[in-house]
Parts: sequence; structure tokens; C-alpha cells
Amino acid sequence: NAGVTQTPKFRVLKTGQSMTLLCAQDMNHEYMYWYRQDPGMGLRLIHYSVGEGTTAKGEVPDGYNVSRLKKQNFLLGLESAAPSQTSVYFCASSYPRTSGNEQFFGPGTRLTVL
Amino acid sequence: EDQVTQSPEALRLQEGESSSLNCSYTVSGLRGLFWYRQDPGKGPEFLFTLYSAGEEKEKERLKATLTKKESFLHITAPKPEDSATYLCAVLNSGGYQKVTFGIGTKLQVIP
Repeated sequence: NAGVTQTPKFRVLKTGQSMTLLCAQDMNHEYMYWYRQDPGMGLRLIHYSVGEGTTAKGEVPDGYNVSRLKKQNFLLGLESAAPSQTSVYFCASSYPRTSGNEQFFGPGTRLTVL
Repeated sequence: EDQVTQSPEALRLQEGESSSLNCSYTVSGLRGLFWYRQDPGKGPEFLFTLYSAGEEKEKERLKATLTKKESFLHITAPKPEDSATYLCAVLNSGGYQKVTFGIGTKLQVIP
């Protein structure tokens, strides 16, 4: 099993450009998440999905959109990139249980917006 | 609002020198407390889930414990390969799966 994979690994954008980050998981997990990680700050939730065809806003959703057309894939889009979106982006997935819900993370995408 | 505070921010140990990392939390109904390990340039790697006060879990040189207000990650006789950032996170009992992460403790083990 590959677990959670993310593409691309690195990307440099100019202000105003758009891009899509792809996350895929092969663990048949229902829930998927997008986080960003910045120096001196904990992981912050951007958007999440509790199942195919559903998405919801997290803590810092502005400037991002997501889609989950297939259970195994979760896409994060930046329509008009800004320097404040320079960050490392992590995708995660989990299988919901009545108690606890450990998330499994991908390797990350390092995005720089100039 | 849920909060997770980890201390110290950084810790430098000699190989074999045991120590503990602290995670203090406030959460509206704890459903789970998680410990992750993160190596530079990589995603967090799941270590443990603790569900209730008094619970303990072990994995090799790591032992995690939980009280009603904090969790400790004890590292016994650490080795250089234990060097990493250790993240603590809590899941509340709210309507959606909101996990709040701490900033982490960066551990360096010197040979």
C-alpha cells in the first residue's frame, strides 16, 4: 500500500497564478483533510471531506477550494495564488471511529508564491 | 476554543539521556489525544492515540501517558535516530473531526 500520496512535491508560482494539488489514498478511508504548516504554527486545517462528493471549510479556508469526486482523491485548488499562501501543504486521511480518529499524512507539497 | 501547548520547544539530549516532552491541552470533550513524529521534509507519522486519563502506550523507547490536563511522551535511552519533531494533537467531541495540533517539540539526540 502506498498510503497517502501527494503531487507535486514542490512548486513555485507567481502571484495570481492558479494550481491544483492532488492527494490520493489507497486505504479506503472515508475522511480526507488538507492542512498547511507554517514555521512557528501548528498544522492548520484548510478544508476537509467526510465522504465522496462532500467538502467543508476548516480553520483557514479563504483562497482555497477543494473537490472530492472520488473517494480516494482530494484536490486542493488555488485560484489566484498570493505570497501568504507560501507554505507546506499536507493531505491526510482517516477512518472514522466512535472514539479517536488517527490521521495518516502524505509527504507534503512545498509551495512558494513569488 | 481547543488549545494545545507543547514544551519545551526544543530539547537537546545526549544519547542514552532519558527525558520527557510535555503536552498541555484544553478541549471541549476529549475524544482522543495523538502523538506524531515528524522528520524534516516529511509528513507527520502517527505514533499513539490515548483516549482517557491514566492510559499509557509504549513503542520501543517511547512511552506516552495521559492525565486530564496533559500528556507526556517519555523517551528512554534515546538514540540519534529518535531526533525529530514530536507533535501532540487533540480531537474534541464536536460535530466534525476537528483535530487541534501543537507546534511541536524539536528533539535532537547527540551521539
